[in-house]
Amino acid sequence: GAGVSQSPSNKVTEKGKDVELRCDPISGHTALYWYRQSLGQGLEFLIYFQGNSAPDKSGLPSDRFSAERTGGSVSTLTIQRTQQEDSAVYLCASRAGGGRYEQYFGPGTRLTVT
Amino acid sequence: AQKITQTQPGMFVQEKEAVTLDCTYDTSDPSYGLFWYKQPSSGEMIFLIYQGSYDQQNATESRYSLNFQKARKSANLVISASQLGDSAMYFCAMREGVRNSGYALNFGKGTSLLVTP
Repeated sequence: GAGVSQSPSNKVTEKGKDVELRCDPISGHTALYWYRQSLGQGLEFLIYFQGNSAPDKSGLPSDRFSAERTGGSVSTLTIQRTQQEDSAVYLCASRAGGGRYEQYFGPGTRLTVT
Repeated sequence: AQKITQTQPGMFVQEKEAVTLDCTYDTSDPSYGLFWYKQPSSGEMIFLIYQGSYDQQNATESRYSLNFQKARKSANLVISASQLGDSAMYFCAMREGVRNSGYALNFGKGTSLLVTP
């Protein structure tokens, strides 16, 4: 079946602009995760959704970051007033639930803030 | 405190040989799991293998096996019969209980593996 998809694959934006990153998880997967991968920080957890709710937002680096998930499926990560330190690869992953723990990752969105 | 430690930034192995990638972890949660992911230069994160803390036997998947030593808090990945396509970055990761961000993964810094002909 289809894997996790993310769009856009690449995004270049000017400092101060808002960006939206989209994630389409594997069909039927109940849990969805956002991570960020950068050279300096490695792989960092940002936020997770169980269904449409996000019980834990503690990983979001600042209040400029927000995320939502609608219909228990597609998720959008929004970064407002982008800064150069937001440049990174943003990875989305989904997990089936029901005692399955492995997460399947999308190809990522490479964000460059100029 | 760092939860996952991968002490080998880079490793070389000759084709057809076996290689062990090291991973140690730190947790006080009795229920946890260890994962290994592969990230080729193309960037996608590929799930390789999983071991739960209560699993009695070491996990194996094809040429991958996880050498789980609970008392030593280590979860090393063994790749047998290395292939050129195994050249990639390898990440060890851990999930804790559901209260820890819904089983979100803590990743190590990774080990870069180069398989030579």
